[in-house]
Amino acid sequence: QKEVEQDPGPLSVPEGAIVSLNCTYSNSAFQYFMWYRQYSRKGPELLMYTYSSGNKEDGRFTAQVDKSSKYISLFIRDSQPSDSATYLCAMSILGGGADGLTFGKGTHLIIQP
Amino acid sequence: EAQVTQNPRYLITVTGKKLTVTCSQNMNHEYMSWYRQDPGLGLRQIYYSMNVEVTDKGDVPEGYKVSRKEKRNFPLILESPSPNQTSLYFCASSANSAGGQETQYFGPGTRLLVL
Repeated sequence: QKEVEQDPGPLSVPEGAIVSLNCTYSNSAFQYFMWYRQYSRKGPELLMYTYSSGNKEDGRFTAQVDKSSKYISLFIRDSQPSDSATYLCAMSILGGGADGLTFGKGTHLIIQP
Repeated sequence: EAQVTQNPRYLITVTGKKLTVTCSQNMNHEYMSWYRQDPGLGLRQIYYSMNVEVTDKGDVPEGYKVSRKEKRNFPLILESPSPNQTSLYFCASSANSAGGQETQYFGPGTRLLVL
């Protein structure tokens, strides 16, 4: 079973706010966790990639994975209007998504200027 | 420039008329996948390929075929398209992941309408 749950939103926040995006999953075999950003009419682009539990920070973005709770998060600090997009969580059992990625349905994020 | 390309980008066709959507990557990646994206359903995997001549079904393979005769190309074939295959299709590729640090790069998408 490869279900991933993600609140579709839309989530609307003012510019400069901290954004928290989350996904839960049921398959404990998932080991690789990713966050993608997708602008309208574009392909998904990778934002963050983590293996197993822990935190990873890249600029204004922080990804957290809690495998014991089957819960992953993406935090965006100092949010900008250009962050407005759909954010997709994805996960796989094998590295590189060799078994294919299982995606959440995506959260539509709106940053209000 | 490293990229995944798809053609055509937009396609309108009629029920039953065979079509092929091409996908090509220039990164020498072993793994390639096809996904479809539908409102309210998100991205769902159709087929994937772990290397040349090695393909496997994803979550929604019905009505689709693929082939992997060359490393760089992974075409998606709809032998007899039906209206429920109207969707946005993405091809993706990734490198050999022994270190587990690679992930998938996505093409720009192909928007298909089946009448």
